[in-house]
Amino acid sequence: SAVISQKPSRDICQRGTSLTIQCQVDSQVTMMFWYRQQPGQSLTLIATANQGSEATYESGFVIDKFPISRPNLTFSTLTVSNMSPEDSSIYLCSAEKGIFEQFFGPGTRLTVL
Amino acid sequence: DAKTTQPNSMESNEEEPVHLPCNHSTISGTDYIHWYRQLPSQGPEYVIHGLTSNVNNRMASLAIAEDRKSSTLILHRATLRDAAVYYCILRGISGYALNFGKGTSLLVTP
Repeated sequence: SAVISQKPSRDICQRGTSLTIQCQVDSQVTMMFWYRQQPGQSLTLIATANQGSEATYESGFVIDKFPISRPNLTFSTLTVSNMSPEDSSIYLCSAEKGIFEQFFGPGTRLTVL
Repeated sequence: DAKTTQPNSMESNEEEPVHLPCNHSTISGTDYIHWYRQLPSQGPEYVIHGLTSNVNNRMASLAIAEDRKSSTLILHRATLRDAAVYYCILRGISGYALNFGKGTSLLVTP
């Protein structure tokens, strides 16, 4: 199994600012992903965080808005840049270890005023 | 991506079995059927997965139709802690993100 922690757990930010969310896994994993869950909605994939190379973004998400780093096999960051109220969501990271099971962090609840 | 269809919500009494259905008529031969659940204010957690045969683990059972166009997640004795949104997801063998649909919101009443 894998235990995932995220920092911060929640934050309230002003529009126009940026927030970096950290995701730490307690063991080495192959794949890491970032999702967004808007209020009352399901999870939407933002990007796949690739170790040592640029992240792979899903349609509708761009690197300038959501830069992602993954410097090693246990850590990744997601930055939400130039925030607006529409970015208010829960941001979750997940990691795949082995073949089938993905483990999720508890999420970061972001409110943008 | 092949899509899944689930009821928006279901209700069960505590300690009764629960059968959560999922239709996936466009499933491909290499798609595995995964189930995750999301408890309130938590990240999703893995429940079970299968390819063709029925599967059992400590959390649940997965019954897969012979033509693989539908499946059913079975909780043998629902508890209040099982109240969650249950997601049925199709995915290739590894290395792919999960495509979450809307899921089924399960309400368990005492």
